[in-house]
Amino acid sequence: DIQMTQSPSTLSASVGDRVTITCRASQSISSWLAWYQQKPGKAPKLLIYKASSLESGVPSRFSGSGSGTEFTLTISSLQPDDFATYYCQQYNSAFTFGPGTKVDIK
Amino acid sequence: EVQLVESGGGLVKPGGSLRLSCAASGFTFSSYSMNWVRQAPGKGLEWVSSISSSSSYIYYADSVKGRFTISRDNAKNSLYLQMNSLRAEDTAVYYCARGRPLDPWGQGTLVTVSS
Repeated sequence: DIQMTQSPSTLSASVGDRVTITCRASQSISSWLAWYQQKPGKAPKLLIYKASSLESGVPSRFSGSGSGTEFTLTISSLQPDDFATYYCQQYNSAFTFGPGTKVDIK
Repeated sequence: EVQLVESGGGLVKPGGSLRLSCAASGFTFSSYSMNWVRQAPGKGLEWVSSISSSSSYIYYADSVKGRFTISRDNAKNSLYLQMNSLRAEDTAVYYCARGRPLDPWGQGTLVTVSS
């Protein structure tokens, strides 16, 4: 089974900061990686698919990169609406989620 | 508008059964694989099961294999999850989600397994 890790687990940041979250897979998943945003009490929302493709309607301040086993999600300028938990997910073989990164207010 | 609406959650005793449903609208249901994902209170996301568009391929997480059964009715635009031999650790919000990757997601239905 493919295992996913994320770092950091919690990130404290201010509005306007550049934020980067890292996700690693236990084996190569090519570019079959997605990023989701989840707010408390809500369902997750797809932000990025195929490692770097921006889902329609998602602000361009979100970007994804990487391939193989190492991936990053970057928010270029953090906005108040972006305080949430972010999950990476591989879909190369079944599905596996990372443990999540909570972005909170510094 | 693409929409997924789950139902069927509730309180059940350990060892009991429950059947979840997911009603789909706004897209050609029969063209997409479908999935169940759960989230225990205060925890992360866990994939539960997937079914291909024609039900030819079905997959389960090891944690539910042999206890849960996924199915779909393309004529009714509906996805199901039959959950048997429920355990306390199955307590979670259960989401249905379309395709690969998962988009969109329903609002979730809470399953509580407790005596």
